[in-house]
Formats: sequence, C-alpha cells, structure tokens
Amino acid sequence: GQQVMQIPQYQHVQEGEDFTTYCNSSTTLSNIQWYKQRPGGHPVFLIQLVKSGEVKKQKRLTFQFGEAKKNSSLHITATQTTDVGTYFCAGMDTGRRALTFGSGTRLQVQP
Amino acid sequence: GEEVAQTPKHLVRGEGQKAKLYCAPIKGHSYVFWYQQVLKNEFKFLISFQNENVFDETGMPKERFSAKCLPNSPCSLEIQATKLEDSAVYFCASSQFSGSSYNEQFFGPGTRLTVL
Repeated sequence: GQQVMQIPQYQHVQEGEDFTTYCNSSTTLSNIQWYKQRPGGHPVFLIQLVKSGEVKKQKRLTFQFGEAKKNSSLHITATQTTDVGTYFCAGMDTGRRALTFGSGTRLQVQP
Repeated sequence: GEEVAQTPKHLVRGEGQKAKLYCAPIKGHSYVFWYQQVLKNEFKFLISFQNENVFDETGMPKERFSAKCLPNSPCSLEIQATKLEDSAVYFCASSQFSGSSYNEQFFGPGTRLTVL
C-alpha cells in the first residue's frame, strides 16, 4: 500500500531561524495536503497542492509539490513561537478519498 | 454546525469491554472519515463514508471494529472487546467534494480511548 515518509522527525530552532520539512510518497499522488497539529489538538488544514511542480505561499510558509507528484516540502521563514506544533503531510491516492499521513515533523521554537 | 463534534472526549475501558465513539460531521459534508492516532503520532485510516454508505473500509480490523453513519444520527465507531493496543486518539473528519476537486478535511477534537 501507499507509504508516506516525512523527515525530520523533530526540529528545534531558535526564533527567527528557518525550518523545512520534507515528504516523500512511495506512489504518485493525486494531491497532497498539509496539516498542523498543536500539542493536545487536532489536525488543522493548511493547504492543498494538486499540480505537478506547484508552489504556494501563505505569508511565511512556502509549500512545494514535486514534478513527479511524489514529494513535497514545507518551508517556514523566520519561525515564531506560534509556529510550534507538528506538521503533517498527507497524500491522497487517485480514486480514494482517505488521506495517508506522513509521520509528522515536530517543530519546537526557542524564544 | 460549522465544526465536527466528537463525543465523548475521553473514554476508559477495561480490556475486553465495548467502546462506542460518536461523530457529528459538518452539515452539508457528504464524506466522513475515521482515523486512529497512536502515541507515536502516527495516523491510521480506518473507514470512510459517503453519506450513509461505506466508501472505503480498507483500514478497518473488521473482526472487532464496526462503524455506521445513519441519516439524522451521529456517525459511530464501535470497538467490541477492546484490546490494550486500541488505546489511541480517534479522530473523525468530514469533507465535501465538488466535481473533481478534493477538498480539505475538517477534523473533530478527537476521542481519547484508554484501554486498561
């Protein structure tokens, strides 16, 4: 079945530093979504990427979808303490509706 | 409503007991999903519904797990004869699909199941 790997597992940065998490799927995806989960909370949707090579920006966050639609990345510029949480990529296979989640990257930001 | 509601927040069961979890999806959303998140943060898809019909149940351990989404009732996930490894947070999510567009999934706050 489809597998989605995500690295790193954990990253600790100083406030103001940049952060990147990478996602790689074993199969070609119809789309990829990114979610953020705060400690004790539930996943909250950030963005969806559908097209090959797509790049989307949300303020300090930049999301990319690879040309082969098998990998993706999330980059945060100048992290803030409010960015703390676990970031999950979640891929969707063609024909399915369910998400296959990556293992998540936990971000800790030191003020 | 505008949020996915899940009850109860916490559930404690002795091994072998039954557990039943409930989910009210966002009104107008035609898809409902159940996911299990274990302690290592990993999500496992269990089952999805399109309205009241099972859409995909490839993640369900069918010998002990069952789920329903009946009209005018909250959706439910039931675990017969719980095992220690069923301890997890169970999230329900709902979504709306239009045409060929796959939309975001809205997650409920989750039910934390502890099996002792």
